[in-house]
Amino acid sequence: DGGITQSPKYLFRKEGQNVTLSCEQNLNHDAMYWYRQDPGQGLRLIYYSQIVNDFQKGDIAEGYSVSREKKESFPLTVTSAQKNPTAFYLCASSRTQDVNEQFFGPGTRLTVL
Amino acid sequence: AQSVSQHNHHVILSEAASLELGCNYSYGGTVNLFWYVQYPGQHLQLLLKYFSGDPLVKGIKGFEAEFIKSKFSFNLRKPSVQWSDTAEYFCAVKTYGNNRLAFGKGNQVVVIP
Repeated sequence: DGGITQSPKYLFRKEGQNVTLSCEQNLNHDAMYWYRQDPGQGLRLIYYSQIVNDFQKGDIAEGYSVSREKKESFPLTVTSAQKNPTAFYLCASSRTQDVNEQFFGPGTRLTVL
Repeated sequence: AQSVSQHNHHVILSEAASLELGCNYSYGGTVNLFWYVQYPGQHLQLLLKYFSGDPLVKGIKGFEAEFIKSKFSFNLRKPSVQWSDTAEYFCAVKTYGNNRLAFGKGNQVVVIP
């Protein structure tokens, strides 16, 4: 069953701690993306990767970091430098960097206490 | 930077009413246009897309959208909504040569039985 998995579904962390969100896809897609979704704000792009070992900053990259060591994996680290980390985080992938349809994962809701 | 506008963030209507959600973008060149839907507790999924050809696009679940190039618009319509159409709807735009999607802030639609 092909798709995108994100884990965990809910995540709680104390302020000042880094936390890594997992995103895995078995769709053999080249491109992967991380978005942040806040109420009334839509989806804002954090980072994206068009190919393994390459990634670019999106619109709100400050306080976040990513890696793309494998085609199927694109983990996102929310660092202590992110001022408002509590949010819903969505991972997506698409077949090529030319952006056909993006397929989305179920999301991770991060709450920083 | 590319921007996407969706007005009337909250829409409440009764079953069988008609729905129209506006989407305007600020880019004068070639665009690819998308509407995504997020049902309560579910993944964000593609409703319909426009790449080229007939500007009236049919999507899933009876939705359609019309691309009007002169108005920079891609409005979503459904003639008769059902309770199950309760969801958040996002318009997204990809511009030529850009490997990213820009999303609008979304429309929260509630259909009352």
